[in-house]
Amino acid sequence: GNSVTQMEGPVTLSEEAFLTINCTYTATGYPSLFWYVQYPGEGLQLLLKATKADDKGSNKGFEATYRKETTSFHLEKGSVQVSDSAVYFCALSDTSGNQFYFGTGTSLTVIP
Amino acid sequence: GAVVSQHPSRVICKSGTSVKIECRSLDFQATTMFWYRQFPKQSLMLMATSNEGSKATYEQGVEKDKFLINHASLTLSTLTVTSAHPEDSSFYICSAPGQGSTGELFFGEGSRLTVL
Repeated sequence: GNSVTQMEGPVTLSEEAFLTINCTYTATGYPSLFWYVQYPGEGLQLLLKATKADDKGSNKGFEATYRKETTSFHLEKGSVQVSDSAVYFCALSDTSGNQFYFGTGTSLTVIP
Repeated sequence: GAVVSQHPSRVICKSGTSVKIECRSLDFQATTMFWYRQFPKQSLMLMATSNEGSKATYEQGVEKDKFLINHASLTLSTLTVTSAHPEDSSFYICSAPGQGSTGELFFGEGSRLTVL
């Protein structure tokens, strides 16, 4: 079946540090992959997405590449800011687009 | 982009009362909406899939009589927590898939329920 495995947190980084949050998936067919971000007290917002192998999603300095060979979609940012402190969810939707699967979320805290 | 709005954002109620949470798609039609419950350690639990014009599909272990879901129109789904108890206190989030083939989900702002 489909599933998403995400690096457990919490993660604490100093401002301007490099960020990687690992995400791997199991899926049949050709899923779409997403990273969502949740700021404190809010719902989830789409951060970036990739719909096919080798696609790179990017937004606000964050990047993730859809790697079919390693079934991964790791989130990276070269220099984090305090405002990036949030919970990050990796997710996939199946080929039909009707089923969605989320990782457990990774809490990131960036300290000045 | 597509917007999903949830109301109320925060609600406090007494034990034994019922609370209704609304989820609206503001600029698109949603034949399907998803209701999640988020626990203190952040993990999202899918509670049910709301289907316009038909009964909701509940995930295993979710009491359908306790969490009533109604998808009255293509832009509105409601979750009613009946006879609420303190253990029902949680953050409830709705979402709807956008149109098109990329399968992106749009989320409401979430509703924090506190049952005293």
